[in-house]
This record gives sequence, C-alpha cells and structure tokens, in this order.
Amino acid sequence: QLVLTQSPSASASLGASVKLTCTLSSGHSSYAIAWHQQQPEKGPRYLMKLNSDGSHSKGDGIPDRFSGSSSGAERYLTISSLQSEDEADYYCQTWGTGIHWVFGGGTKLTVL
Amino acid sequence: EVQLVESGGGLVKPGGSLRLSCAASGFTFSSYSMNWVRQAPGKGLEWVSSISSSSSYIYYADSVKGRFTISRDNAKNSLYLQMNSLRAEDTAVYYCARADYDILTGLYYFDYWGQGTLVTVSS
Repeated sequence: QLVLTQSPSASASLGASVKLTCTLSSGHSSYAIAWHQQQPEKGPRYLMKLNSDGSHSKGDGIPDRFSGSSSGAERYLTISSLQSEDEADYYCQTWGTGIHWVFGGGTKLTVL
Repeated sequence: EVQLVESGGGLVKPGGSLRLSCAASGFTFSSYSMNWVRQAPGKGLEWVSSISSSSSYIYYADSVKGRFTISRDNAKNSLYLQMNSLRAEDTAVYYCARADYDILTGLYYFDYWGQGTLVTVSS
C-alpha cells in the first residue's frame, strides 16, 4: 500500500535551516513526490517536485531557500535562512495507479 | 497568472446537496486534469475527485464514491462538484487544484491551488 509518512511537527530558529522528511512505504522507494506548503488560513501552494535521484524542479516564484533531496525511500525538503513566513504546514504528495493521489499527514513547522 | 477561484460552499443539513464551482483563468483550461481536494477542520489534505482534460477519465475517493459527481465545462473554464447525501464527515474546506504530469517519473502532481470554499454539514 502506497503511504507517505511525515513527522507531525518540527521547529527551528529564525535564520537557521530545517530539513523535513517524507518517507515512502515499502516497495515504493523509487516514487517521485511533490512538496506543498500551507500557510495559516491559506490554500496550499506547490513548492516542488522531487525525484528519487534528488533532482527537483520548483514551482513559480519559489525562493532558492527551498531545496529538495532524496535518499532511498526518504524525500527531504530543506529550508535555509528560515523566515517567519515559512511557519506553515508542509505536505508531501505522490500518485499511484489505481490509488491516485496520496498525501502525507503533514508536518507543522514552527519558526522560533 | 493562473487563478482558481472556488465558490458554492455553505451550511447544509445532513442528507442535503450542494454544488461547488471553480472558475479557472490564466491557462488553457481544456489541457489539464482538474481535481477537488478537501481538508477537514484541523486535519490534513484528502484527495476527493479527478477529471481528465476531456472528461474521459473520472475518479473518486472511496469516501465519496456514489455521492459526489465531478464535471467540467471547458467552454466556460469551469470545474464543478455536485455533492449529494452529505454527511457530517464531509465538513471541510474544498480546494480546486490543477494537476500536471511529469512524463519522466510518471508523477501526477498538483501545481496550482485555489483558496478554498468551506462546506459545513450540520443540523
């Protein structure tokens, strides 16, 4: 079964870096994913698509501070030089035949 | 600029019906698969339904199959969701989302989202 697992919460200080993790379920380690950001009281925003080899392509207007990487079944979103507006929920998403769209449970990022 | 604007949400009693609309602009609407995604209060994102560019392929989450109907009008650049037999657990913000496809990886992903419309099912 295709499942994406994310830690419920993360925190980091203003100006620091943080690495969020999305883990693909067993047997699906080659899948690409997408990362989405949802700021408080707003609709989600597409950040990037991320391949199993770590190559990634960002959405329109996404700052260079956002980057992606991969290792095995894990997909990472790294945010550097954290700003207050980065405090948000971050969701990973993938797609599977017959399963269609799957979301991780989301990680709530707190900027200290 | 791509814009997706949802409308039609509101308060409805259990068992009632509601029709959501999504007005699209800034891109060639007829070239993209479109989707509805919902978010219950305090919860994560849940995919609801998808319709291909020409309406040839339509899919639903098990939680709404048989009760919800997705449709589109490419001439009007609009996406719709007819929701019948509504339940309390359908209470959520409903987002319209455009899907794109990465041919290299086979990934379908949501690349643009609307701001959402709130549906509340309560007596």
